[in-house]
Amino acid sequence: DTGVSQNPRHKITKRGQNVTFRCDPISEHNRLYWYRQTLGQGPEFLTYFQNEAQLEKSRLLSDRFSAERPKGSFSTLEIQRTEQGDSAMYLCASSSSGGNTIYFGEGSWLTVV
Amino acid sequence: KQEVTQIPAALSVPEGENLVLNCSFTDSAIYNLQWFRQDPGKGLTSLLLIQSSQREQTSGRLNASLDKSSGRSTLYIAASQPGDSATYLCAVDQAGTALIFGKGTTLSVSS
Repeated sequence: DTGVSQNPRHKITKRGQNVTFRCDPISEHNRLYWYRQTLGQGPEFLTYFQNEAQLEKSRLLSDRFSAERPKGSFSTLEIQRTEQGDSAMYLCASSSSGGNTIYFGEGSWLTVV
Repeated sequence: KQEVTQIPAALSVPEGENLVLNCSFTDSAIYNLQWFRQDPGKGLTSLLLIQSSQREQTSGRLNASLDKSSGRSTLYIAASQPGDSATYLCAVDQAGTALIFGKGTTLSVSS
């Protein structure tokens, strides 16, 4: 069991550039979640997938953010035209179904300069 | 709108002490409640999950209780150790989908 894997772990980008994060969930898990966490705060929900279907999106997920999960396996989170306010840790998590224990990855740190 | 509050925000204790972390939530219509541990700069590790129909869960030195009617949960840590130093996060699940987190309690255990 390799757990939830996220890449890259750290990304520094200039304002206005696009960035993409990848998440590989635990293999048998059909649910995949994305959260965002800033210093001193708890994680905030962004979106989740049931297999390949994106079932819920937070109002935090502006139109500059897009997430995909082709074939219900790995997922990508793309941020277009990054802003300094996007600087945060982006956490991916997976679970076998709703209401069960959720397993988080180590997170991807984004710094926008 | 569900809100989750954790008190205290920070706690420092000497090794060996028993301690209690508190979590409160405003809407008692929850699916479950989970406690997580987060080390600095790392992801979250699940500690305990309490379903809405349960009153408590135990794992080793950890015991979590849930009182849905009053909107409260506690995480009890027995015989604390320096390795327990971390931030502890409480999260409620209202619909089997998104977790709503508190800001966490940062625990420091000194040897």
